[in-house]
Amino acid sequence: AQKVTQAQTEISVVEKEDVTLDCVYETRDTTYYLFWYKQPPSGELVFLIRRNSFDEQNEISGRYSWNFQKSTSSFNFTITASQVVDSAVYFCALSELNTGNQFYFGTGTSLTVIP
Amino acid sequence: DGGITQSPKYLFRKEGQNVTLSCEQNLNHDAMYWYRQDPGQGLRLIYYSQIVNDFQKGDIAEGYSVSREKKESFPLTVTSAQKNPTAFYLCASSPTGGGYTEAFFGQGTRLTVV
Repeated sequence: AQKVTQAQTEISVVEKEDVTLDCVYETRDTTYYLFWYKQPPSGELVFLIRRNSFDEQNEISGRYSWNFQKSTSSFNFTITASQVVDSAVYFCALSELNTGNQFYFGTGTSLTVIP
Repeated sequence: DGGITQSPKYLFRKEGQNVTLSCEQNLNHDAMYWYRQDPGQGLRLIYYSQIVNDFQKGDIAEGYSVSREKKESFPLTVTSAQKNPTAFYLCASSPTGGGYTEAFFGQGTRLTVV
């Protein structure tokens, strides 16, 4: 079973629009960690954020914000006032305390921001 | 600069040949990982290593082999037994193997079988 689901395969928005990337996860562990990564065309994954399962506070970093809701097992990522430089593939990932040897990645959401 | 270096960036291999992808890190991280990325399938774990001289199979280890003789190095060999090796390969490291911290990634190696 897929532990991390990113149902949106591709999204296109016009510059300055807001966009939300969805991430739904599945785990039986009570202690786990969630991550978002950005993969620009160069290929390298760039770390954006990490949350642990005990911290449901939403976080804002500039134009980026994250909404963590344990009740719906979701960890959604919103980009406000999108820019062309935001065009990339975004991955959500999960690691679990009891099987903490790997990161489980979703299939990614390809975001295109049209100027 | 500290980071993860993968080489080469592009690699072409003839069918039936083994090929080794290099991954070096100078972050003093204990854990290292190899992922394979195919279009529409996200990242899938091939092998990981939590300490020197120890490594474990991931979800798609068949046809691959690794070694971890030094902390900073984790080379991946794609053997002729790998039936569909054309893919983008990403190496990563993290301070510990517990997944408590984020992983840092190299720039990847794109392998093409010709």
